[in-house]
Amino acid sequence: GQNIDQPTEMTATEGAIVQINCTYQTSGFNGLFWYQQHAGEAPTFLSYNVLDGLEEKGRFSSFLSRSKGYSYLLLKELQMKDSASYLCAVRDGDYKLSFGAGTTVTVRA
Amino acid sequence: IAGITQAPTSQILAAGRRMTLRCTQDMRHNAMYWYRQDLGLGLRLIHYSNTAGTTGKGEVPDGYSVSRANTDDFPLTLASAVPSQTSVYFCASSADSNQPQHFGDGTRLSIL
Repeated sequence: GQNIDQPTEMTATEGAIVQINCTYQTSGFNGLFWYQQHAGEAPTFLSYNVLDGLEEKGRFSSFLSRSKGYSYLLLKELQMKDSASYLCAVRDGDYKLSFGAGTTVTVRA
Repeated sequence: IAGITQAPTSQILAAGRRMTLRCTQDMRHNAMYWYRQDLGLGLRLIHYSNTAGTTGKGEVPDGYSVSRANTDDFPLTLASAVPSQTSVYFCASSADSNQPQHFGDGTRLSIL
């Protein structure tokens, strides 16, 4: 099966930076996705990495190292609305997505 | 407004009953998926369909069935509901298996 690990919870202050790590061991690799999910709502797509390196999209950046089975999502200039769960998902060799359990980020004033 | 629609929003069901969760998308996406989300376990794939007329099993398919008669609709059926199927069910779609998935708002299902 697939094994995707990310921290359960993180807390940070408004305006700060938070880095959410994700490590994975999967049967094949065809890309890594990050999703944001506010409580009681549907997950929404944030970023996609298939090659090594950093992808930047506004306040959010995502990094991938395929050789290390490692990714992180970097949230900069945190805002209260960024309080949510962040889901790491890996697309395996059969093009199916496997999700980590999610990291709940709480932003405090 | 283009998107993906799930029905019902929530349901309480007696164990042993049959239940079909509906999912419709109007984005002409080829691929569709059903997940369940449980606390501490994240999203787990139940069934998927890469194109109309085909379906496949995901990580937790037992007790569930799906059909994909056309591009837009992908219903999920619980033939005989059991309490362990209490969960939040999300339907998702993507243009193809290479593209990001878009999720519906979910169905909260409680089996008593």
